[in-house]
Amino acid sequence: EPEVTQTPSHQVTQMGQEVILRCVPISNHLYFYWYRQILGQKVEFLVSFYNNEISEKSEIFDDQFSVERPDGSNFTLKIRSTKLEDSAMYFCASSELTGAGGELFFGEGSRLTVL
Amino acid sequence: GENVEQHPSTLSVQEGDSAVIKCTYSDSASNYFPWYKQELGKGPQLIIDIRSNVGEKKDQRIAVTLNKTAKHFSLHITETQPEDSAVYFCAASTDSWGKLQFGAGTQVVVTP
Repeated sequence: EPEVTQTPSHQVTQMGQEVILRCVPISNHLYFYWYRQILGQKVEFLVSFYNNEISEKSEIFDDQFSVERPDGSNFTLKIRSTKLEDSAMYFCASSELTGAGGELFFGEGSRLTVL
Repeated sequence: GENVEQHPSTLSVQEGDSAVIKCTYSDSASNYFPWYKQELGKGPQLIIDIRSNVGEKKDQRIAVTLNKTAKHFSLHITETQPEDSAVYFCAASTDSWGKLQFGAGTQVVVTP
């Protein structure tokens, strides 16, 4: 069964450092997403991406965050200068369709710990 | 914006009994309501979903009901088994770009 894969599974970084989280969406999917889950809190939407541009982003997704699809398979989330409050599990997801027709498939997550 | 409330936060059931998780939402424009199961160390996995033109949907031991007037939807698991133990999330969405608003999750523990 096709799946979304994420790397790394866990990253520890110092405050102020740049972090890149990587995702390989399901191959025939066209829509890509990042969500995050701070420990003990809800899963929160960060950003959606289609046709090489951001479709929608949340208030959390400020100038410190960026997304990119550098080639035909990877989808990355970059945090420019990490803060303590960026510590969370980050989930990548992809879908074939969008809106109410598109089932989101989630990866297993990348746990980011900022010290 | 949309706000989804989910209850209970934890649910302990005896194997073979039924489990019910309830969610309410605030945005009347929401028209897609998926349920995700998250096992330890894994990402959320879709188990069932319902769209606003349907009141009930069933898939083997799992069923979801939707009441658009009251803005609430529920997950029902019958004949629970130990492998049903996980965190379950409800979510709601409008036609926006895959933007799901999640509930806080329900930790379900099925005891043999």
